Parts: sequence; structure tokens; C-alpha cells
Amino acid sequence: EAGVVQSPRYKIIEKKQPVAFWCNPISGHNTLYWYRQNLGQGPELLIRYENEEAVDDSQLPKDRFSAERLKGVDSTLKIQPAELGDSAVYLCASSLAGDETQYFGPGTRLLVL
Amino acid sequence: QKEVEQDPGPLSVPEGAIVSLNCTYSNSAFQYFMWYRQYSRKGPELLMYTYSSGNKEDGRFTAQVDKSSKYISLFIRDSQPSDSATYLCAMKRSSAGNMLTFGGGTRLMVKP
Repeated sequence: EAGVVQSPRYKIIEKKQPVAFWCNPISGHNTLYWYRQNLGQGPELLIRYENEEAVDDSQLPKDRFSAERLKGVDSTLKIQPAELGDSAVYLCASSLAGDETQYFGPGTRLLVL
Repeated sequence: QKEVEQDPGPLSVPEGAIVSLNCTYSNSAFQYFMWYRQYSRKGPELLMYTYSSGNKEDGRFTAQVDKSSKYISLFIRDSQPSDSATYLCAMKRSSAGNMLTFGGGTRLMVKP
């Protein structure tokens, strides 16, 4: 069974540029999460989706970050404009309803210059 | 102060050693406790999952939770070079859906 797929794996952009990350969760997983992991730290939740609905986005910086999950499957996370402090690894995870296990993708490593 | 604290390491041990990894936390509402392993440039993968206090064993791995002390541990017996990774503890409140609070991770190096 394929795991969580993320692309791109690496992205280098200049500050003030836009950037988008894409995530394809494990088939059948209705819950999808976006996390940000800064160097030497644990992941921090940005947003959680139950199917198409964002049920927890309290940690998403809404002035520059946006996310969508059309049709309750794939999801995109966008930053516009990017700032130097956005350099981090952006992880996507998915889980089945009622299952405590979250399966993580490999992440997108973002460097903002 | 962070809700979940973890010594960042690195922790270096010889192959075959018993490894002890620990986390402390401040929120007594946490009920579910997990350990994730993260290899370099990979996403975290779930190793152990426990509910409330007690021990849980899975092969060479044992997870312990002491809620009275707000302290959790992961023990690795007969450590192998392939165990070299960053170990993240994570926990959640029973009422918080699947929102996990992670520690900062401890980097473990097992030397042959």
C-alpha cells in the first residue's frame, strides 16, 4: 500500500514569493493533517481536515497561509508571501476515522532566502 | 515553558546497549502517549502507543507512562545501528481529537 505522498520534496524560493505544497493521503484516510517542523523541534499542527472540512486551523497563520482539500482527498498548502521564518519542513499526515495512528509523508523541505 | 520537554541529545551509545529516552510534560489532561521514530529526511513513524499509566512492550521496545510524575519513557533493548534516529514523544488530551503535542525529539546514535 502506498504511503502518504508529498511534493515537491525540496523547494528553495526567495522571500515574498509564493509557494505551494501538495499532499496525497493514504487511500481511504478521511483525516488529513499539515504540520510544520522547524529544525531540531517536533512537528506542530497547522491544520486538520475531516474529509473536506477544516476542523482545527487555530495554528495556521491565516494572513499568509491557506489550505484546501477539494473532494476530501488531496490537499494543498500555500504560503503567500513567504518569509525567511517560514523555512522548515512541512509534513502531511493522514489517518482513518477513529484510529489514533497518524501516517506521515516524507515532508517538503522549504528554504526561503 | 513548552508543554512537552525532551532532551535533544545527541545520545551516543554502543551497539547492544539499553537506551532510555524520556519526556516530561506539564498538562495533566494528556491521556494518550506515543513515541515516534524519525530517520533523517523522513517523516515520523509511530513506534509505540499507550493510554494512561502503565507499561507496554513490543519486541525490543518498552514504553512506560507515569502520570503522577508527568513522565514518560521509551526503553530500547539490544540497541542496533539501525535504531539511530530522532525519537519524538507525542501526547494528546482525550477530548482533543487527534491533535498531537510533540516533544522536540532526542537524537540517538548507536555505534557499531
